[in-house]
Formats: sequence, structure tokens, C-alpha cells
Amino acid sequence: GAVVSQHPSWVICKSGTSVKIECRSLDFQATTMFWYRQFPKQSLMLMATSNEGSKATYEQGVEKDKFLINHASLTLSTLTVTSAHPEDSSFYICSARVSSGSRYEQYFGPGTRLTVT
Amino acid sequence: GESVGLHLPTLSVQEGDNSIINCAYSNSASDYFIWYKQESGKGPQFIIDIRSNMDKRQGQRVTVLLNKTVKHLSLQIAATQPGDSAVYFCAENTHEKLTFGTGTRLTIIP
Repeated sequence: GAVVSQHPSWVICKSGTSVKIECRSLDFQATTMFWYRQFPKQSLMLMATSNEGSKATYEQGVEKDKFLINHASLTLSTLTVTSAHPEDSSFYICSARVSSGSRYEQYFGPGTRLTVT
Repeated sequence: GESVGLHLPTLSVQEGDNSIINCAYSNSASDYFIWYKQESGKGPQFIIDIRSNMDKRQGQRVTVLLNKTVKHLSLQIAATQPGDSAVYFCAENTHEKLTFGTGTRLTIIP
């Protein structure tokens, strides 16, 4: 159980266009999802926390108007990179937190490789 | 071991030997710690976790040790196998958010 999927797994887009990445919890409901960005040979950096039915909370230095996050249901969160530029090329990973139980559990998706040309 | 910086530390271990990966965490208020394994092009995979009120936890072939006095976490992998080759990250949970360490690349020597 506790599977998180992402779509697409990789995407190439032209500079100036927008790209939407989907994150789904397949067999559980997630009131909270997280979006991370990972550059080559570096660690995961939290971009934002997404709560179902409310606005996302962005980490310092992350532009909320550039990285639009929508968490419309308990199983789906989307990240839209608007007006993408080559420096936005990265590996974007989402995670979903199990909403029940006393133990904190966060499950990660397989990631989406974004290349902006 | 892991540390803040731009270089990914590496650890090379002979197949069959034990591996020890270290991590220094930063926030004394962190209440939960997790080790993740990440293979190339994939998302992090949960290995083992430990709460701050514990100092040791064992899983299958893995053991996590927590020393809160010096804010140090380690992951021990017994009888390392080729499939253990990956980058290993520690993560600390503070106020329900995870902060990841820089990672250690584990390479297995046949």
C-alpha cells in the first residue's frame, strides 16, 4: 500500500511555456502533500506544502506565482511551472502524508524530470 | 558522512562487508528521523525511521542509531549487497516538515 504516482515521469518543454505535473496517492487519502525539487547530485529541497482545500504554503525563496500548486482532492495535487526557463530544469518530487495513525509517514512519488530548452 | 555543502560524499564498501553512513542533523527540536534510499532517476524509498525518544532501531539488515547529544544519526547496513548501491539521505522532521541531508553515495565493490 501507500503508493504515490507522478505524471508525467519526464517532460521537455520550450522556454516560456507552462508545464503541469500531477501527484496522486493511489491507495490512501492524503490531506497533505509536499513538493520538492532536486538538482543533479544534490539533496531534496522542500518547495511547498499543499493542504487539501486550502492554499499551499511556500518555503522561503520559492515564487508562488511561478510554481502554482493546487490540491483539489484528497488524492491529487498538481504543480504548474509557469513561464518555464532553463534554470527551472530539475527533478520534481512529490510526497503524500498518511492522514491517520500516530506515526508520521510520508510516501514519495517517483519524480518528474523537467527539461526546459 | 553527510554534511552541508555542494559535494556528495561517497562511501565504497566491499560486497559482504558492513556499511556505516553518518549524518549530522541541525535542529534539536526534530522529533523523528528517517533514512531514505534513492536510486538514479527515482524518488526516495523509505528504509527505516526512529523517534527522538529512542537511540537504536533495527530492521532487516539495517540499524539506525541516534545520538541526540551530538545530533548525530547513522545507518548501518549489514552484509552489503550490489543492490544497496544508491544515494542515502537522512531526513529530520521538525514541525511536520522534512529537511534532508546532502546524501551519501554508496558504491559496492564486487
